[in-house]
Amino acid sequence: DAGITQSPRHKVTETGTPVTLRCHQTENHRYMYWYRQDPGHGLRLIHYSYGVKDTDKGEVSDGYSVSRSKTEDFLLTLESATSSQTSVYFCAISEARAGTGELFFGEGSRLTVL
Amino acid sequence: AQRVTQPEKLLSVFKGAPVELKCNYSYSGSPELFWYVQYSRQRLQLLLRHISRESIKGFTADLNKGETSFHLKKPFAQEEDSAMYYCALNGSFQKLVFGTGTRLLVSP
Repeated sequence: DAGITQSPRHKVTETGTPVTLRCHQTENHRYMYWYRQDPGHGLRLIHYSYGVKDTDKGEVSDGYSVSRSKTEDFLLTLESATSSQTSVYFCAISEARAGTGELFFGEGSRLTVL
Repeated sequence: AQRVTQPEKLLSVFKGAPVELKCNYSYSGSPELFWYVQYSRQRLQLLLRHISRESIKGFTADLNKGETSFHLKKPFAQEEDSAMYYCALNGSFQKLVFGTGTRLLVSP
C-alpha cells in the first residue's frame, strides 16, 4: 500500500462543532485529494491540492476548507459540521506522470454528525 | 461537463457466469478512463486503465468512443470478484470524476 494514512478513522460529533480530518503521506506525491463517499453518489471530490499552499475546490466544496502547509499533510476542515456531512471521507494522492491517472487512497475516515 | 454514469447499483451473478459492468461517460476531449475496485475492508485501488489495454484478474475493458462507453467484462466470474466497482474519468489536474459505483455480488 502507498504510504498514506488518515486520522481519525472514526469520529462522532454534534451538529455545529468544528472537525478536522488529517491526511498524511510519505510518498512525496504532488497531488492530494479529499473525496467523500455516499451511497447513490459514489465518490465526489471536495477539494484538491497541486502543491504546498496550492488548493482548489472540487464539486462539493461548500462547508469544507482545506490547508496544505507541507507536502506530506493535507487537512480537511468542517467549520461547523452538519448532518449532511455524515459520510466516509477518503484522501488520495497522485504523482501526475503523463498517462497514469492512478490515485492511491487512504483507508477512509467515517464521520457521523448527530 | 465531465460525467460518468454507471446505471446498475447492484449486479448479482453466479460463479462462472460472464460479467459486464456498464460505464458510460460524457467528456468533450480525449478521455482517460479507469476502473477502480474496493474489496470488503480494503482500500479503493486501481483495477485497470484503458490506455494500457491490460487485463487484470481476468477483467478487460474496451473504450468505445462511438458509444462513449468503457464497460468492464470478465468471462467467468469468481466469488472473490465480489466488490464495489467504480468507473472513473480523468479530468484536468489529475482530478478523477467517479461514477456512482456498481456492487458486484458473485454467488457460489
